[in-house]
Amino acid sequence: QSVLTQPPSVPAAPGQKVTISCSGGPFNIGNNYVSWYQQLPGAAPKLLIYADNERPSGIPDRFSGSKSGTSATLGITGLQTGDEADYYCGAWDSSLTAFLFGGGTRLTVL
Amino acid sequence: QVQLQESGPGLVKPSQTLALTCTVSGGSISSGDYYWTWIRQLPGKGLEWIGLISYRGRTNYNPSLRSRVTMSLDASENHFSLRLTSVTAADTAIYFCARAESFCGGGPPCLPHDPWGQGTLVTVSS
Repeated sequence: QSVLTQPPSVPAAPGQKVTISCSGGPFNIGNNYVSWYQQLPGAAPKLLIYADNERPSGIPDRFSGSKSGTSATLGITGLQTGDEADYYCGAWDSSLTAFLFGGGTRLTVL
Repeated sequence: QVQLQESGPGLVKPSQTLALTCTVSGGSISSGDYYWTWIRQLPGKGLEWIGLISYRGRTNYNPSLRSRVTMSLDASENHFSLRLTSVTAADTAIYFCARAESFCGGGPPCLPHDPWGQGTLVTVSS
């Protein structure tokens, strides 16, 4: 069981907006930056969001990140079938002195 | 553009040591702005962070693997390595290496992992 908790799956329809939550604690999300990753089937994960809400170059603005207290959220607007993937949050844990990944959320675009 | 590539045996016998190398191209492993990390993904499961190493040799490991993991870095070869001892079938996974930025312009630890290697499947079986 991950210290960072994500819903196992989220269904959505093309063109809609979806949010994926990531719940942690004071030693990780509460005091350190959150990053988000997209893993398409059969591929390595790709960085989508860093420092809570920053997008690396090349990531479309349909993807956004936010944080409040010990929870973070990934938002995706204008859903496309190509967005079907597993999404992971991540953050440094200052108590464990280790990086944590959430358990992952499978996005299905129906 | 920095690229990472994992290499090593795809099959390891139980109780033996898993050894992988990640070769970095397009950039120097000696940059103080980055950590070099290993992550694994068990079949059909999520991502599990294994640990990091800095070019100065600082290491941090996942507490659940700490007793069996050693990471090292060779700046002259521009690569870093992972050793996992006493492996069992439960260590069968895709192993990824990645670069992680230490601080994103200041503030608390950031460590966005980017880029990633393509991953290499390691199977533990006799």
